[in-house]
Amino acid sequence: EDQVTQSPEALRLQEGESSSLNCSYTVSGLRGLFWYRQDPGKGPEFLFTLYSAGEEKEKERLKATLTKKESFLHITAPKPEDSATYLCAVQAEGSARQLTFGSGTQLTVLP
Amino acid sequence: DSGVTQTPKHLITATGQRVTLRCSPRSGDLSVYWYQQSLDQGLQFLIQYYNGEERAKGNILERFSAQQFPDLHSELNLSSLELGDSALYFCASSVDGGGFTGELFFGEGSRLTVL
Repeated sequence: EDQVTQSPEALRLQEGESSSLNCSYTVSGLRGLFWYRQDPGKGPEFLFTLYSAGEEKEKERLKATLTKKESFLHITAPKPEDSATYLCAVQAEGSARQLTFGSGTQLTVLP
Repeated sequence: DSGVTQTPKHLITATGQRVTLRCSPRSGDLSVYWYQQSLDQGLQFLIQYYNGEERAKGNILERFSAQQFPDLHSELNLSSLELGDSALYFCASSVDGGGFTGELFFGEGSRLTVL
């Protein structure tokens, strides 16, 4: 069974204080790993797709990296507007377009 | 705004009842996905439709059913409701053609409360 574990469950940062979120996965053949952002009362919003170990993607203050067992979402000099729940998901080989999501990391950035 | 529309936004009903949740995908998207999000289980895949046909099925209960209509809107039917069915139900759609990038466009969800 495919599993995605995210840590920490919650993270509080001061504005400008960089940190990383972790996503560990167990999947029978990784087809893709995805990061989403979810604001309270909203649906998840797509951030990145990573396909193979060593791949990196960047967007503004966010950078996602991938190894064979985990992915990291690095947040550099965060701002209060980066506060959200960050979700990691995987797509396994042969699973059509079914995504398995982790339970997320709730990030709060204090001004 | 993702372009995906879900109705109703909130729904309160009693155990044993039946409800229908509606979703209109983004213009041009042929695939529709339904996900359930609860506090203890996170975001769980229920079912996917592509151009009216069922494409993938996840952990969807037999009491739940879905369909996609010729105009591509989709409905999720939940029957014999139980307290544990209380959750946020999300619909998402995706661009089709070529490889799947993992980019799903989610609606704002329908919050179901079963009393």
